[in-house]
Amino acid sequence: EAGVAQSPRYKIIEKRQSVAFWCNPISGHATLYWYQQILGQGPKLLIQFQNNGVVDDSQLPKDRFSAERLKGVDSTLKIQPAKLEDSAVYLCASSLDLQDYQPQHFGDGTRLSIL
Amino acid sequence: SQQGEEDPQALSIQEGENATMNCSYKTSINNLQWYRQNSGRGLVHLILIRSNEREKHSGRLRVTLDTSKKSSSLLITASRAADTASYFCAPGGGNQLEYGNKLVFGAGTILRVKS
Repeated sequence: EAGVAQSPRYKIIEKRQSVAFWCNPISGHATLYWYQQILGQGPKLLIQFQNNGVVDDSQLPKDRFSAERLKGVDSTLKIQPAKLEDSAVYLCASSLDLQDYQPQHFGDGTRLSIL
Repeated sequence: SQQGEEDPQALSIQEGENATMNCSYKTSINNLQWYRQNSGRGLVHLILIRSNEREKHSGRLRVTLDTSKKSSSLLITASRAADTASYFCAPGGGNQLEYGNKLVFGAGTILRVKS
């Protein structure tokens, strides 16, 4: 099966600019996750979708970050305006559903650098 | 979900040797997952062990779980240069309605296998 697809792979922007990332999960996976991974740390969950509804966005900085999954398949994550501390790798993952034993499948991420 | 704490932070071994990584957590779990992350890539699910299991094998991987000590270990036997990666544990919560398959990752163990 095809894995989780993310684009772009790399993005360099200046602070205060906006940026968007795209994710296409594994076909049939109802649950989609966005993580932020800062260098030297583990991934931190930003938002979790079940189909096109938000399950958890408690750690999403909502003043600058937004995400949507309008048709319950692809998702976009946006940052506007970007800050220096947003430099990180943004990982998208998907799982079959919310069941506790479902492994998460990750894309290779988008590496964002803020100048 | 709760965060697992991996130990050691870094491990360097020779090819062919065994590598052991440990994970500790604080409250009761239903399952615990191990993931691997190669440099510049997303996380890859390695193995899941349920709370009623004490040991599980997958190829060269052996995972143990001691719920009384709230700890798990990942053993990689006959290591190869390709095993060089970061390894993360993720304790899984038992309350599906509360946790919804959310995972919290620690900083991981960086394994370097020298050839």
